[in-house]
Amino acid sequence: NAGVMQNPRHLVRRRGQEARLRCSPMKGHSHVYWYRQLPEEGLKFMVYLQKENIIDESGMPKERFSAEFPKEGPSILRIQQVVRGDSAAYFCASATGSYEQYFGPGTRLTVT
Amino acid sequence: DAKTTQPTSMDCAEGRAANLPCNHSTISGNEYVYWYRQIHSQGPQYIIHGLKNNETNEMASLIITEDRKSSTLILPHATLRDTAVYYCIVRVAGGSGGGADGLTFGKGTHLIIQP
Repeated sequence: NAGVMQNPRHLVRRRGQEARLRCSPMKGHSHVYWYRQLPEEGLKFMVYLQKENIIDESGMPKERFSAEFPKEGPSILRIQQVVRGDSAAYFCASATGSYEQYFGPGTRLTVT
Repeated sequence: DAKTTQPTSMDCAEGRAANLPCNHSTISGNEYVYWYRQIHSQGPQYIIHGLKNNETNEMASLIITEDRKSSTLILPHATLRDTAVYYCIVRVAGGSGGGADGLTFGKGTHLIIQP
């Protein structure tokens, strides 16, 4: 059973460009979570999605950030018009909805 | 979710048991204690969780005090690969009754295994 997959693993964007981060949950998992880890800081919850629904986006910045988890395909975290402060590691986790979350390897976003 | 308090860092000799404490004095009756760890630059890894009984799996043991105000994660034979930041998280269990929300990570304990 493959684990949570994220791609790309590393992404470099210039200021003002768009960043798209993809997350494929573990087989059978219908719950997806996105977290952000800024340099030298802890992990912060961003958004929680189930198939085609955003359940909790209380940790998402109000502007430029969006997330989706379509019926088919991976979950996407989209950052429009990136700024240097968006440089961070973005982790996705999946779960069956009970108990433990399983994390992917992360996407390292660098904004130049 | 209840707040947790952990030491900032700890050292342990390779091959010895590593005992990581966590205080959660405001824990509610329906909240579980979870442990995750993050090895440098990797995604967090689930270790173990429990409600009130002690738990053991292939990675670790979790000892929860009778009043549930504190717990200890035990790595029985620490290796260099166990060097990581360990997070103690208290949250309501998931499932149809709710609680399948995002995790709140604190600063954790940086465990350093010495050769």
